Amino acid sequence: AQSVTQPDIHITVSEGASLELRCNYSYGATPYLFWYVQSPGQGLQLLLKYFSGDTLVQGIKGFEAEFKRSQSSFNLRKPSVHWSDAAEYFCAVGPFGGATNKLIFGTGTLLAVQP
Amino acid sequence: EPEVTQTPSHQVTQMGQEVILRCVPISNHLYFYWYRQILGQKVEFLVSFYNNEISEKSEIFDDQFSVERPDGSNFTLKIRSTKLEDSAMYFCASSSRTGWSDTQYFGPGTRLTVL
Repeated sequence: AQSVTQPDIHITVSEGASLELRCNYSYGATPYLFWYVQSPGQGLQLLLKYFSGDTLVQGIKGFEAEFKRSQSSFNLRKPSVHWSDAAEYFCAVGPFGGATNKLIFGTGTLLAVQP
Repeated sequence: EPEVTQTPSHQVTQMGQEVILRCVPISNHLYFYWYRQILGQKVEFLVSFYNNEISEKSEIFDDQFSVERPDGSNFTLKIRSTKLEDSAMYFCASSSRTGWSDTQYFGPGTRLTVL
């Protein structure tokens, strides 16, 4: 069955420091991968997505993610974190074609940014 | 930029009451979804809807739930007799296509509190 694991429930980084949020997936074929961000009181905003091609994808707000098939990973990175990046980040996989269009989400990583 | 909107932002109801959560998907989108997030848990798929019928539903989406597109713009989720465990954030999403190049855009959510 398809699944997504985000091993880090809560991460704290200092403003200006680099960030990497981990995401591992389980799926038998090449997945379609997404990172969404949820700011307090807000909905889910799409940061970036990977469908095919270049394994390093750029997103909004200076984020990027790298798809590594050998590690079944799609980690999110940012070279310099801003205080406004404090939010919850969700990795998702899907849809899977055919009859199912659902996204499967990880449990999320809550990012806190220290001044 | 077009966005998905949801009303109300917060709904409080008594157990056993019916609630209707409303969504206005992006105007040229054809596929519609409901997800929910119980506090502290992952975002879970509930149902997808296309061409005026349910295309997929999860185990959560039992007979107490129904969806409808009553006109050309709204998409609703009805819970007939709410239970305490229905308390959650409910997200509506829409996409212009399905399958391999689908990107689902999410609304800000409706927080449902069942007392």
